[in-house]
Amino acid sequence: EPEVTQTPSHQVTQMGQEVILRCVPISNHLYFYWYRQILGQKVEFLVSFYNNEISEKSEIFDDQFSVERPDGSNFTLKIRSTKLEDSAMYFCASSGGSGFYEQYFGPGTRLTVT
Amino acid sequence: ELKVEQNPLFLSMQEGKNYTIYCNYSTTSDRLYWYRQDPGKSLESLFVLLSNGAVKQEGRLMASLDTKARLSTLHITAAVHDLSATYFCAAAAGGNEKLTFGTGTRLTIIP
Repeated sequence: EPEVTQTPSHQVTQMGQEVILRCVPISNHLYFYWYRQILGQKVEFLVSFYNNEISEKSEIFDDQFSVERPDGSNFTLKIRSTKLEDSAMYFCASSGGSGFYEQYFGPGTRLTVT
Repeated sequence: ELKVEQNPLFLSMQEGKNYTIYCNYSTTSDRLYWYRQDPGKSLESLFVLLSNGAVKQEGRLMASLDTKARLSTLHITAAVHDLSATYFCAAAAGGNEKLTFGTGTRLTIIP
């Protein structure tokens, strides 16, 4: 069964450093998303991406964040200068296949900023 | 702005009992989702409800949607330990757009 994959599973970085989180969405999906979940809290939307551009972004997704689909398979989230409060689990999701509205989530990347 | 509220936040149930988790949302929503999350794990899709009166069942879980009341319920029948997890509802409006999640219900099934 196709699934969303994410790398790395855990990333530790120092405050101020740049990080890139990588995702491979399900191959026939058209819509891609990043969400984050601070430990013990609810899941928060960051950004959605369709047709090679951002379709919607939240207030959290400020100038420090960017997304890119550099090739036909990868979808990346970059944080330019990490802050302590960026520590969270970051989930990639995709949708738009046969179960058109269903959003499938990847296993997540745990980002720890020290 | 779409807001989603779940209750209860915590639920401890005995095995074999029935219970319901409630999910209210604030504005018109086209779709309502239920996800399960085990500790330290990702979100597993349980149900997507697309229309008023929609009811879906999988095993001991049944979800329903009342768009007029802006309410979805997740009903657990004859709970078993394996159902212990955090359950999130999420709502969406418009096309293939963002999900707005509720706060989650942490369900613990005790023998």
